[in-house]
Amino acid sequence: SQQGEEDPQALSIQEGENATMNCSYKTSINNLQWYRQNSGRGLVHLILIRSNEREKHSGRLRVTLDTSKKSSSLLITASRAADTASYFCATGGHLYGNNRLAFGKGNQVVVIP
Amino acid sequence: NAGVMQNPRHLVRRRGQEARLRCSPMKGHSHVYWYRQLPEEGLKFMVYLQKENIIDESGMPKERFSAEFPKEGPSILRIQQVVRGDSAAYFCASSQDRGRETQYFGPGTRLLVL
Repeated sequence: SQQGEEDPQALSIQEGENATMNCSYKTSINNLQWYRQNSGRGLVHLILIRSNEREKHSGRLRVTLDTSKKSSSLLITASRAADTASYFCATGGHLYGNNRLAFGKGNQVVVIP
Repeated sequence: NAGVMQNPRHLVRRRGQEARLRCSPMKGHSHVYWYRQLPEEGLKFMVYLQKENIIDESGMPKERFSAEFPKEGPSILRIQQVVRGDSAAYFCASSQDRGRETQYFGPGTRLLVL
């Protein structure tokens, strides 16, 4: 089954710096999504990029997708202390009506004020 | 529009008891998904349901676990005869009929089995 894997798994940066994290997967996908999870909370959907898209922006977020390398990256620009969280990539699809998401283990990002 | 709601938020059970986790999808959403998250891990898919139908339960353990999404009322994830290894956070997500790629998650139920 599809499985996202993020790299690196832990990142500590100063407020105002950019944070980049990567995700790789193993099989063909229809889309790839990034989620944020604050400690002890649920997941917040950040952005979805479809397999026919290469780059997408949303506010301070920039996501790229390289289907030839089966990888994606999430860039958070001008980070803030409130960006401290775990970030997960998840691959999904509509194959046979199934929309299950396969999550990676997550990147822990700490933004130091 | 309220988000996905889950209750209880925390649940403590002793080994051998039953755990019932409830999920109310976002208004207008008819697709529900359950995921389990073990400590320091990502989420693992368990089951995908539409109203009154189980579409994909390939991630569910074969025994003790069951899920339903009745015509009326919330979706229920039921764990019978809980064991310590069932301790985890259980998340529910929902999506719309149209454009159902994006799944919106609830706050989760944290189950602790003593």
